[in-house]
Amino acid sequence: SQKIEQNSEALNIQEGKTATLTCNYTNYSPAYLQWYRQDPGRGPVFLLLIRENEKEKRKERLKVTFDTTLKQSLFHITASQPADSATYLCALDQDSSASKIIFGSGTRLSIRP
Amino acid sequence: GAVVSQHPSRVICKSGTSVKIECRSLDFQATTMFWYRQFPKQSLMLMATSNEGSKATYEQGVEKDKFLINHASLTLSTLTVTSAHPEDSSFYICSARTSGGQGLTDTQYFGPGTRLTVL
Repeated sequence: SQKIEQNSEALNIQEGKTATLTCNYTNYSPAYLQWYRQDPGRGPVFLLLIRENEKEKRKERLKVTFDTTLKQSLFHITASQPADSATYLCALDQDSSASKIIFGSGTRLSIRP
Repeated sequence: GAVVSQHPSRVICKSGTSVKIECRSLDFQATTMFWYRQFPKQSLMLMATSNEGSKATYEQGVEKDKFLINHASLTLSTLTVTSAHPEDSSFYICSARTSGGQGLTDTQYFGPGTRLTVL
């Protein structure tokens, strides 16, 4: 079955630095991969979607890469701010015909001032 | 755009009672809606997928008679937890999928979640 792993359970970095989160997957070749942000007690908020034929996608201070050979996606937040502190979830389509997605366990990012 | 609401945001009930949670897509029509549950410090687990006017498709291990899903329209889905027990206490989150258009990405947009506590 498909497996999706976010290597770091928690990541703590200094404000202003670039945060890099990793997502690896196995036993599947997803057509696209997504990143969501989740704050405590709230539902996930969609951030970015990247397709298999795209190497990189950017949105403001966010950048996502998708390496289908390594089966890995990297999520970067540049010029990080304390307000970026949250849990970030990687998700991939489980079955494109059913439009279901499965989530990684998330990385809890803390940005210290 | 792509706002999904849930009601109530928090509910406490006695064991044996039933609880209904509503999920609405406010500014778009959802082709499909999904229901997830999330335990503390764990990721979201898909419970069921529903399309308007048809029966929901439940994931393996999810009791369809316990978690009743009704998808009345393209903007409303409800989850009813019947005869709730303390082990049903969890964070329930719905999502609505759009087919794109109106500047929206074809993906799932999530509601804010409902915290259910069964005493």
